[in-house]
Amino acid sequence: EAQVTQNPRYLITVTGKKLTVTCSQNMNHEYMSWYRQDPGLGLRQIYYSMNVEVTDKGDVPEGYKVSRKEKRNFPLILESPSPNQTSLYFCASSTLGGTNEKLFFGSGTQLSVL
Amino acid sequence: GNSVTQMEGPVTLSEEAFLTINCTYTATGYPSLFWYVQYPGEGLQLLLKATKADDKGSNKGFEATYRKETTSFHLEKGSVQVSDSAVYFCALSRSSGYALNFGKGTSLLVTP
Repeated sequence: EAQVTQNPRYLITVTGKKLTVTCSQNMNHEYMSWYRQDPGLGLRQIYYSMNVEVTDKGDVPEGYKVSRKEKRNFPLILESPSPNQTSLYFCASSTLGGTNEKLFFGSGTQLSVL
Repeated sequence: GNSVTQMEGPVTLSEEAFLTINCTYTATGYPSLFWYVQYPGEGLQLLLKATKADDKGSNKGFEATYRKETTSFHLEKGSVQVSDSAVYFCALSRSSGYALNFGKGTSLLVTP
């Protein structure tokens, strides 16, 4: 089954404690992206990757890091989380090119930073 | 840059009512337009899309027509069901890259 898998589903942490949210897709997609969803703001892109070892900033990259060492994995790293990073996070993936772009989303990670 | 404005929610309808969720956009060039749906506790799923002016996207009884003259992509369904209760996001492709710009989402609640 084609899917994007995020872990964990829920995470509660404290300010300053490094954490990683994992994302993996089994569709051999080149493009992967992280979004955060906040009430009244919709989805905003954090980082994206067009292929292995190619990453770039989205609209709200401050306080986040990513890596793309393998095509299937795109972890989101918060080196020193702060309360304003409390949010619902989604990983998404897609093929590239043409008019068939369709983002596949993971089920989300609800992060609370105390 | 490209942006999307969609109507504020929540929208509450009785089962079998007609649904319209308004979406307008500003864009350079010729973006593709999308509606995504988010059911409770899940990620977003593509509902329908349209890639050029006058195209109509449709799926599961939902429809939206890409109107260049009014820069709109309104979502409609003739008869909603309780199972349609979800948050609906209008989105458009950016002028560069492969990211999408999403609207803020419209929550729909359908009551029996």
